[in-house]
Amino acid sequence: GAVVSQHPSWVICKSGTSVKIECRSLDFQATTMFWYRQFPKQSLMLMATSNEGSKATYEQGVEKDKFLINHASLTLSTLTVTSAHPEDSSFYICSASSSASEQYFGPGTRLTVT
Amino acid sequence: TQLLEQSPQFLSIQEGENLTVYCNSSSVFSSLQWYRQEPGEGPVLLVTVVTGGEVKKLKRLTFQFGDARKDSSLHITAAQPGDTGLYLCAGAGTGGFKTIFGAGTRLFVKA
Repeated sequence: GAVVSQHPSWVICKSGTSVKIECRSLDFQATTMFWYRQFPKQSLMLMATSNEGSKATYEQGVEKDKFLINHASLTLSTLTVTSAHPEDSSFYICSASSSASEQYFGPGTRLTVT
Repeated sequence: TQLLEQSPQFLSIQEGENLTVYCNSSSVFSSLQWYRQEPGEGPVLLVTVVTGGEVKKLKRLTFQFGDARKDSSLHITAAQPGDTGLYLCAGAGTGGFKTIFGAGTRLFVKA
């Protein structure tokens, strides 16, 4: 149980374009989903927290107009990187939670902006 | 601001050796999780500890939650190359604070 999927697993896009990443909880309803960014050999950096049906809460320093998050249902959240630039290249990971403690992570999406 | 300090940051050992990873904070956590992450993949939950003083075992891995619920340790006995990966601790705060992650411990076990 507690399986979270992400799509796509990797994507290459040109500078200036937008990219959408999907995060799905496959076998449970996620009241909260989290989006993280991870740089090579570093820990996870929380970008935003989203609750189904409400606006996402962004961490300090994360541009909400650049990283659009939608949490339309209890099983799906999307992250759209708008007008991507090479510095946005990173490993993006989502997690889903149905309780106050445990989070279950997706396999991650590697974004490369050329 | 809650902080979760994890140590060591990097550990390279021979197969068969034992090791301990520590997570410490000045804050009290309602629960603490340990995750393992392999390159190019998302973290996988290993264990959740909730009660102060709790000890949980997962094969060769032993997890302990401090009595005051401010710290935790992960002990691996007779490490194997398959244990190689990034180990992350994460604390869920009391009073509605969000989960915070340690910086991670990168473990490399040589055959």
